[in-house]
Amino acid sequence: DTEVTQTPKHLVMGMTNKKSLKCEQHMGHRAMYWYKQKAKKPPELMFVYSYEKLSINESVPSRFSPECPNSSLLNLHLHALQPEDSALYLCASSQPADGYEQYFGPGTRLTVT
Amino acid sequence: KQEVTQIPAALSVPEGENLVLNCSFTDSAIYNLQWFRQDPGKGLTSLLLIQSSQREQTSGRLNASLDKSSGRSTLYIAASQPGDSATYLCAVDNAGNMLTFGGGTRLMVKP
Repeated sequence: DTEVTQTPKHLVMGMTNKKSLKCEQHMGHRAMYWYKQKAKKPPELMFVYSYEKLSINESVPSRFSPECPNSSLLNLHLHALQPEDSALYLCASSQPADGYEQYFGPGTRLTVT
Repeated sequence: KQEVTQIPAALSVPEGENLVLNCSFTDSAIYNLQWFRQDPGKGLTSLLLIQSSQREQTSGRLNASLDKSSGRSTLYIAASQPGDSATYLCAVDNAGNMLTFGGGTRLMVKP
């Protein structure tokens, strides 16, 4: 099973809302990632968790708050977002022993109104 | 800072043609290189992973090569089909867990 699942598929939120994106994998991978992808652009790395610890934060604004409750789950908490944060948010996972091949989920399409 | 470039940005071919997608990168000290496929509005599907010590990988009609010294990788697609229409992304990993993506090649295979 090489599946990474993400919920919800679509999310519309106002600038004052608080919402969370969820990502789950059951491949035993110990690295998990959040990427942001704007239309017709490649994905941009936001955060990396390695063995449930945040190892990379690519200067992401504090209105995005990641959380890794356990080795299978990754959350992205959203608060006070701006319309320019509207994008496809992708989660990925990889296993260091497997050469860090990254497997991506289907993404959450976020619209901020 | 690693920079990844993909040429061409878009490609339209008739069904059955063999085609080559190109990827170049500026920092040759890479850990691995991955080729992905992305359908519109969807996530990324991993096609091939080439470790830094490898020269090529094959999966079905796909063959990817890696030349670290020249900073280049190619993805060869044999006997293209309409179902191959998608955006193909090349991504380079310099640190074992950080992918830098190229801008992608949008491929259209016409029946």
